[in-house]
Amino acid sequence: EAGVAQSPRYKIIEKRQSVAFWCNPISGHATLYWYQQILGQGPKLLIQFQNNGVVDDSQLPKDRFSAERLKGVDSTLKIQPAKLEDSAVYLCASSSREGWNYGYTFGSGTRLTVV
Amino acid sequence: DAKTTQPNSMESNEEEPVHLPCNHSTISGTDYIHWYRQLPSQGPEYVIHGLTSNVNNRMASLAIAEDRKSSTLILHRATLRDAAVYYCIPPGGSQGNLIFGKGTKLSVKP
Repeated sequence: EAGVAQSPRYKIIEKRQSVAFWCNPISGHATLYWYQQILGQGPKLLIQFQNNGVVDDSQLPKDRFSAERLKGVDSTLKIQPAKLEDSAVYLCASSSREGWNYGYTFGSGTRLTVV
Repeated sequence: DAKTTQPNSMESNEEEPVHLPCNHSTISGTDYIHWYRQLPSQGPEYVIHGLTSNVNNRMASLAIAEDRKSSTLILHRATLRDAAVYYCIPPGGSQGNLIFGKGTKLSVKP
């Protein structure tokens, strides 16, 4: 089966600019996650969707980050305005059902550099 | 949420077995232990998970202590492609999310 697709692969922007990342999960996977991975650290969950509804966004900095999942398939994550500390890899993952006992499949991520 | 403790790094020689330990002393009786790994410049990938008894798959084996306070991921013959960061994942948050720590960086020497 096709994996989780993410684009772009790399992005460099100046601080205070805006940026958007796109994710296409595995077909039929109802649950979608966005993680932020800062260099040298493990991934940190930003937001979890079940179909097109938000299940958990407690770690999402809502003053600058937003995410949506229209029609319960593709998702976009936006940062506006970006700060230097947002430099990280943004990972999208999907699973067939809600709950961590069901395996997650991750994309390769988008590496964001804010200068 | 349960907490896990893993060594920051480990080294292995190619074609030798590798035992990656994880302590999860606060785990509850019904929580599965999951292991993921992250190869350089890639997203994490599922390795194995288990509850009480030892588990085997094509990638690795998982040995879970009888008291479930620790587990060991076993790579039977390490290859250079096994060089990665290995994460022992505690039970998820309120919504069943994967909560990652820093993991163990495994280096494999030829």
